[in-house]
Amino acid sequence: QVQLVESGGGLVKPGESLRLSCAASGFTFSDYYMTWIRQAPGRGLEWLSYMSNGGGYIRYADSVKGRFTISRDNAKNSLYLQMDSLKAEDSAVYYCAKGLPTLAYGMDVWGQGTTVTVS
Amino acid sequence: QTVVTQEPSLTVSPGGTVTLTCASSTGAVTSGYYPNWFQQKPGQAPRALIYSTIRKHAWTPARFSGSLLGDKAALTLSGVQPEDEADYYCLLYNGGTATFGGGTKLIVL
Repeated sequence: QVQLVESGGGLVKPGESLRLSCAASGFTFSDYYMTWIRQAPGRGLEWLSYMSNGGGYIRYADSVKGRFTISRDNAKNSLYLQMDSLKAEDSAVYYCAKGLPTLAYGMDVWGQGTTVTVS
Repeated sequence: QTVVTQEPSLTVSPGGTVTLTCASSTGAVTSGYYPNWFQQKPGQAPRALIYSTIRKHAWTPARFSGSLLGDKAALTLSGVQPEDEADYYCLLYNGGTATFGGGTKLIVL
């Protein structure tokens, strides 16, 4: 079955960096857009970034543009999020989500998330 | 920056019908915003329900339906079940990026 497993979260200090990973299985990873979303404690969902299946199309939310970098390795069925210059307000659960068949605008399957704490 | 607005909370009786809405600060929500809806229960990852305004995923129960209602996207639950108590989020795409609404807490009482 389709599965996404995030990893790489942890406790870091303000200004430090962290790289999150999302391991995909159960589908042809290279065929789908992939998205990162986060949720701060007790708050709503925040869309962060997405990348096209081949990696040539990338967009970021204004809140992370210039600090976060999305990337993927289709040979390893993996999605990444490089997070630099971290701030306390970046503390959240970070989810990756799989895109839809033949459509860029949406997600279907989500991972369980990885927790990032900046303090 | 787009602001997407949802009702903070709604209450519905079991077996009843409720409609959640999703408005955009940029104007009327159209199919071109590709509205998506997600359900999230406490301690769980979100689950996709609706995409492209009206389309259901394979696992979406038949009692959930998406639509455009006036100048908003809408999610209607018909024949609400106790297990539908959850937070519901809409997602709109605009200008190549996307924005979630603040979420609606649906209380089944």
